[in-house]
Amino acid sequence: GAGVSQSPSNKVTEKGKDVELRCDPISGHTALYWYRQSLGQGLEFLIYFQGNSAPDKSGLPSDRFSAERTGGSVSTLTIQRTQQEDSAVYLCASSLEVRNPTDTQYFGPGTRLTVL
Amino acid sequence: AQKVTQAQTEISVVEKEDVTLDCVYETRDTTYYLFWYKQPPSGELVFLIRRNSFDEQNEISGRYSWNFQKSTSSFNFTITASQVVDSAVYFCALSTRTDKLIFGTGTRLQVFP
Repeated sequence: GAGVSQSPSNKVTEKGKDVELRCDPISGHTALYWYRQSLGQGLEFLIYFQGNSAPDKSGLPSDRFSAERTGGSVSTLTIQRTQQEDSAVYLCASSLEVRNPTDTQYFGPGTRLTVL
Repeated sequence: AQKVTQAQTEISVVEKEDVTLDCVYETRDTTYYLFWYKQPPSGELVFLIRRNSFDEQNEISGRYSWNFQKSTSSFNFTITASQVVDSAVYFCALSTRTDKLIFGTGTRLQVFP
């Protein structure tokens, strides 16, 4: 079946502009995760959703970052007033559900964000 | 604190050599899960294996094998008879109660023909 999809694949924006990144999880997966991969910080967790609620937002680096998920499916990560340090690859992952034992997370291809 | 350490930044081998990628983890939780992911040049993270803390059996899948040792908090990954297609960055990751993945810094493996 189809994997996790993300759009756009690449985004170049100017400092100070807002951007929206989209993630479409694997069909039937209720848990959705956002990570960021940058040269200086490696792979960092940002936020996860179980259904439409976000029990853990601890990884969001500032209040310029927000995410939502509607209908238990597609999620949007929004970065307001982008800064150059926001440049990174933003990865989305989904898993069947958040439970014990932890389900495996499957990743999308990522969105490469460049802030000029 | 939870942490994953991949001390090997980059490894280069010639095709058909065996190679082991090291992973050392830290956690105080008694229930946890360990993962290996592969990130080829295309960039997508590909899931390879998941182990839980109660299962220390080693696992073999084709040319890949994993050695989980709780006594040394290690979860090492061996590729036997490496191939050029194995060239990628390999990440070890840990998750506990919160389910988010904590990644190591990755090991870049280059396999030369």
